[in-house]
Amino acid sequence: KQEVTQIPAALSVPEGENLVLNCSFTDSAIYNLQWFRQDPGKGLTSLLLIQSSQREQTSGRLNASLDKSSGRSTLYIAASQPGDSATYLCAVRGYQKVTFGIGTKLQVIP
Amino acid sequence: EPEVTQTPSHQVTQMGQEVILRCVPISNHLYFYWYRQILGQKVEFLVSFYNNEISEKSEIFDDQFSVERPDGSNFTLKIRSTKLEDSAMYFCASSGGGTSFGDTQYFGPGTRLTVL
Repeated sequence: KQEVTQIPAALSVPEGENLVLNCSFTDSAIYNLQWFRQDPGKGLTSLLLIQSSQREQTSGRLNASLDKSSGRSTLYIAASQPGDSATYLCAVRGYQKVTFGIGTKLQVIP
Repeated sequence: EPEVTQTPSHQVTQMGQEVILRCVPISNHLYFYWYRQILGQKVEFLVSFYNNEISEKSEIFDDQFSVERPDGSNFTLKIRSTKLEDSAMYFCASSGGGTSFGDTQYFGPGTRLTVL
């Protein structure tokens, strides 16, 4: 059974800082890994999708890496802004089923 | 930009009642999903649907649950006899504008179900 763990559970940083969020998973037989952000009481917004054959994906200030063999992914956020404050979720896809981590709650302080 | 929509945004029901949650996936997508998130907990996979049939379901998705694509645009989740523990946010998602289910999943805003 796939288990997804996200560390840290919460993070508070000053505006402008670069930061790294971590995701680990137990079963490396995955099709892809997706990072989402979730604002309080809202749905999930897709940030980046990394296919199992890829090592990283970039979108603007975000960079996600994937090391499938070690069961790890990181989400790097450059020059953080208060608008980045949200919960960041990592989701790993097997054949059809997607397993989510509990998320990292990020607060960027102006 | 195309988006997944869900109705209603909030549903309150009495225990034992049937509820139907509705979703309109992105129009050219082929794969559809339901997830739930109990307050303060992880997002949990319920079911995936492709080519008018369930392709995978979790242990949560028991006989109380069913899904249907009644027409070319709607995708519904029915809970036959709601329990208190069914109270959660239910998210619909869709993917597969191409031919691979490995595409990005796009989520709707969710329906908050409260069972009294």
